[in-house]
Amino acid sequence: VLTQSPGTLSLSPGERATLFCRTSQRASSPVAWYQHKPGQPPRLLIYGASTRAPGIPARFSGSGSGTDFTLTISSVEPEDFAVYYCQQRTDWPLWTFGQGTKVEIK
Amino acid sequence: EVQLLESGGGLVQPGGSLRLSCEASGFTFSYYAMSWVRQAPGRGLDWVSIICDNGGCTYYEDSVMGRFIISRDNSRNTLYLQMNSLRVEDTALYYCVKGVPVGKKTTHFDHWGQGALVTVSS
Repeated sequence: VLTQSPGTLSLSPGERATLFCRTSQRASSPVAWYQHKPGQPPRLLIYGASTRAPGIPARFSGSGSGTDFTLTISSVEPEDFAVYYCQQRTDWPLWTFGQGTKVEIK
Repeated sequence: EVQLLESGGGLVQPGGSLRLSCEASGFTFSYYAMSWVRQAPGRGLDWVSIICDNGGCTYYEDSVMGRFIISRDNSRNTLYLQMNSLRVEDTALYYCVKGVPVGKKTTHFDHWGQGALVTVSS
């Protein structure tokens, strides 16, 4: 089980966003993070806990290990308001998503 | 450019069947595991099933095991999901997604289709 917090993050453009993802067990792979906007498919942001996917702006960064992971947006842009999901592969070959964190305009 | 184009969604009654297809282009399809991920209305993302690059292994989320069958035709660059004994709770947007291997394991997904809407209702 992946638990994301907070459920909703209300921010103004230019503020820093910190999103958390906690796993219930030490898994076989570090987390990935996805951004999901209404009417669009999810977009891969981060994999291997901290590696940015191609084309992802440097304001997005990931960190963490073991059971606790963090996605940081250093300065939120208007296009960053969306739902963010963490995802992990566990030892039994299951691929699990967190419940999501909504980043909304304050 | 990687493209994943789903088709086959629609309205079906509880207990019915539906087959989704996903036509892939822009990459060597036979090199990658492929998966289905769904999103029910107002809910988050849920992984459904995955198939290995050569089709030799398949895995399913518990709630669909025994009802859904994932398959692929590497000669046609196409992924399938046969959905049987459909339930109201299977109503969702189904995304075709491309897996990314890290070592020998597929750990995450780097490209997603636009999704196919499946509605199960009487």
